[in-house]
Amino acid sequence: GESVGLHLPTLSVQEGDNSIINCAYSNSASDYFIWYKQESGKGPQFIIDIRSNMDKRQGQRVTVLLNKTVKHLSLQIAATQPGDSAVYFCAETGGSEKLVFGKGTKLTVNP
Amino acid sequence: GAVVSQHPSRVICKSGTSVKIECRSLDFQATTMFWYRQFPKQSLMLMATSNEGSKATYEQGVEKDKFLINHASLTLSTLTVTSAHPEDSSFYICSARDLLGTEAFFGQGTRLTVV
Repeated sequence: GESVGLHLPTLSVQEGDNSIINCAYSNSASDYFIWYKQESGKGPQFIIDIRSNMDKRQGQRVTVLLNKTVKHLSLQIAATQPGDSAVYFCAETGGSEKLVFGKGTKLTVNP
Repeated sequence: GAVVSQHPSRVICKSGTSVKIECRSLDFQATTMFWYRQFPKQSLMLMATSNEGSKATYEQGVEKDKFLINHASLTLSTLTVTSAHPEDSSFYICSARDLLGTEAFFGQGTRLTVV
């Protein structure tokens, strides 16, 4: 069941601001990273991915940065909108077919 | 993108009964499907990896006799929660990889409540 006292990290931003969501990973063998958006009561939705041979990848309003030296991944959302409010998860895979999810960050966009 | 359909989206069952959840890849063939469980305010935890035509591989701590997985075709995997108890109440999510094996596509999840 639910662990008492376990809370998702939260980030609250104003509409129009840029958002940065961070994720740390521990597996040095991970070679593929994905950011997912999950709205309440729904399954994860793919946002953007990056392979370990890259350090930056851009999509529409989103950018993923990968720092393999410190095992850090970030998701930048430009001009954040209320519809961006959700929980964001990073996920990694490497050496196996399994996709391992990070803890998640709850993003709240204030109008 | 590819579509993964999960059914039912919500189910309420009595303690001691069994519940089956279906995961279908609608427009692609999936040799591998994954089953996750997500408790409130927590991340997705991988339960098992389901391979078409073979036994599922369960993660440590997941009881294979309680969570029965069947992957009988390239488009369908099922998860049966047997002898359900209130602590099995959770959000169950499946995902599927196509034959290229790159991106994983997720179902919409199933909210299981055991009363």
